[in-house]
Amino acid sequence: EDQVTQSPEALRLQEGESSSLNCSYTVSGLRGLFWYRQDPGKGPEFLFTLYSAGEEKEKERLKATLTKKESFLHITAPKPEDSATYLCAVQAYGGSQGNLIFGKGTKLSVKP
Amino acid sequence: EPEVTQTPSHQVTQMGQEVILRCVPISNHLYFYWYRQILGQKVEFLVSFYNNEISEKSEIFDDQFSVERPDGSNFTLKIRSTKLEDSAMYFCASSEGTAKNIQYFGAGTRLSVL
Repeated sequence: EDQVTQSPEALRLQEGESSSLNCSYTVSGLRGLFWYRQDPGKGPEFLFTLYSAGEEKEKERLKATLTKKESFLHITAPKPEDSATYLCAVQAYGGSQGNLIFGKGTKLSVKP
Repeated sequence: EPEVTQTPSHQVTQMGQEVILRCVPISNHLYFYWYRQILGQKVEFLVSFYNNEISEKSEIFDDQFSVERPDGSNFTLKIRSTKLEDSAMYFCASSEGTAKNIQYFGAGTRLSVL
């Protein structure tokens, strides 16, 4: 069964304190891995997509990396406005027409 | 920037009533999706739709659910007889294609079944 597990469930950082969020996945074949940001009461906002092991993407203070078993979202010198829930999702080969399988997310709080 | 629009933002209904949730996908997108998120749980896939028919549906998407593209811009999710456990955030998403295509999500409709 295709599965996505994110850790930690919650992370509290001081402004400027860098850290990483983990997304472990088990899929029959990975089409793509997606990172989204979700603010309270809002829909997921697209951040990155990664397709093959070794791939990296960067955007401002965020950097996403991918291996054959997991992905990391690195946050460098975070600011309070980076506080949100970060969702990881995978798209798998085999039968699906593109639906995303989500993890539960990591709730990030950045204190000034 | 193009975005997916959902209405209403909050829908309150009585158990057993029918509800219709509405979505306007991004205009040049061809694939449409509904997901739901029960409070404190994962975002879960419900159904995908392409070329005026369902492409795939999950176990959650039973006979109480239906989807429709009534015109060139709207995409709707209907729940025929709501249950308490249908209370959730419902998200519409759209993409240009399926494989390796980014899905863009709307802000969601919060459905509260009393």
